[in-house]
Amino acid sequence: QKEVEQDPGPLSVPEGAIVSLNCTYSNSAFQYFMWYRQYSRKGPELLMYTYSSGNKEDGRFTAQVDKSSKYISLFIRDSQPSDSATYLCAMSRNSGGSNYKLTFGKGTLLTVNP
Amino acid sequence: DAGVIQSPRHEVTEMGQEVTLRCKPISGHDYLFWYRQTMMRGLELLIYFNNNVPIDDSGMPEDRFSAKMPNASFSTLKIQPSEPRDSAVYFCASSTGGYSNQPQHFGDGTRLSIL
Repeated sequence: QKEVEQDPGPLSVPEGAIVSLNCTYSNSAFQYFMWYRQYSRKGPELLMYTYSSGNKEDGRFTAQVDKSSKYISLFIRDSQPSDSATYLCAMSRNSGGSNYKLTFGKGTLLTVNP
Repeated sequence: DAGVIQSPRHEVTEMGQEVTLRCKPISGHDYLFWYRQTMMRGLELLIYFNNNVPIDDSGMPEDRFSAKMPNASFSTLKIQPSEPRDSAVYFCASSTGGYSNQPQHFGDGTRLSIL
């Protein structure tokens, strides 16, 4: 079993739809959770960062963490064509030091159709 | 501000040749990461440096892979000899502070094809 599982999609939605992206993980040592967005032929960029279980909101984006279920989600409200990208979840065991490593999901390809 | 700069953007070479990928991190960043991205395995960390010193190279797949960081503004990832299964997109990223909430800034990658 891989440490981080993410449905690769592809996911296609109409403009304005609510999008739900998810990852599951197997290692309870993961404490820090991130979502990166990757446009075609570009490097990933950090979108959201969360530490504890619960919700974190930033504009149209909401990140949700459920440590008891080892499940994280990213919700996009009022999706726009410019949101079309691959979304990668990432997580790490510790905040820094020698264990400062990110483990990524494979990414979900999202297309928002105008 | 200039981001992470990688070169070349594309590399096509024949099996057995030496390949050198280059990275210039963002000025002032003290962490540098090398990743490899494939459809099958996703984005995988190969090695990372702190203040030019390699901290963790457990992701380097084989002895054919080596990485150096001679100074704070330059790093190389070398594959010798190259094999077709090394074909992938290689990313360099840099960050500051060494904490997970500090974003890793990625370059646009080197798309490597080994024939």
